[in-house]
Amino acid sequence: ETGVTQSPTHLIKTRGQQVTLRCSSQSGHNTVSWYQQALGQGPQFIFQYYREEENGRGNFPPRFSGLQFPNYSSELNVNALELDDSALYLCAYKTGTGASPLHFGNGTRLTVT
Amino acid sequence: DQQVKQNSPSLSVQEGRISILNCDYTNSMFDYFLWYKKYPAEGPTFLISISSIKDKNEDGRFTVFLNKSAKHLSLHIVPSQPGDSAVYFCAARGGRVEESNFGNEKLTFGTGTRLTIIP
Repeated sequence: ETGVTQSPTHLIKTRGQQVTLRCSSQSGHNTVSWYQQALGQGPQFIFQYYREEENGRGNFPPRFSGLQFPNYSSELNVNALELDDSALYLCAYKTGTGASPLHFGNGTRLTVT
Repeated sequence: DQQVKQNSPSLSVQEGRISILNCDYTNSMFDYFLWYKKYPAEGPTFLISISSIKDKNEDGRFTVFLNKSAKHLSLHIVPSQPGDSAVYFCAARGGRVEESNFGNEKLTFGTGTRLTIIP
């Protein structure tokens, strides 16, 4: 049990639509990251938020955006959905300082048809 | 360009024997390495990690070895148990090691190795 909660667990959307995925941590940590895991691949870094500001981004287009709230919960928004956006979306919180691991939620499985 | 590679997509090991999972990386700026285990329909679960200043870290049945000159790390599980059957990902972090929560926390993952423990 990581204490990281993601919602919804599954979602089906149509190409061109927009989607919002949510994430929260029981302990309220101030660094949250989002990852995309396509079938048969490892998770790919989308972006990271620290104290409500984006402070790192992977190779994803601007239609992937996020928010972090004062209570450290977070949202991932994806606009103009494409079929290739079908994947498992994971959020993760860092629970310590320095060299300490990220702890992941169970993810949201997004299917774009 | 895949900076973290797990060249074995799958591995089968007899229960009670040692499981050895391997991972290679190319980026010498990586400073912290982790192993995660993933069951279907769950997120990755942290197993064990190692800082680049060490060459070995042990936690119960799990030991991670780091060979910086070869840019290679491995995870040893001994003895292997049926509950160890899962997909294992190695991951590496680049950037500074900070004492605060701020810093480059981006993890680069391998493609995973599916471990099957045979009873």
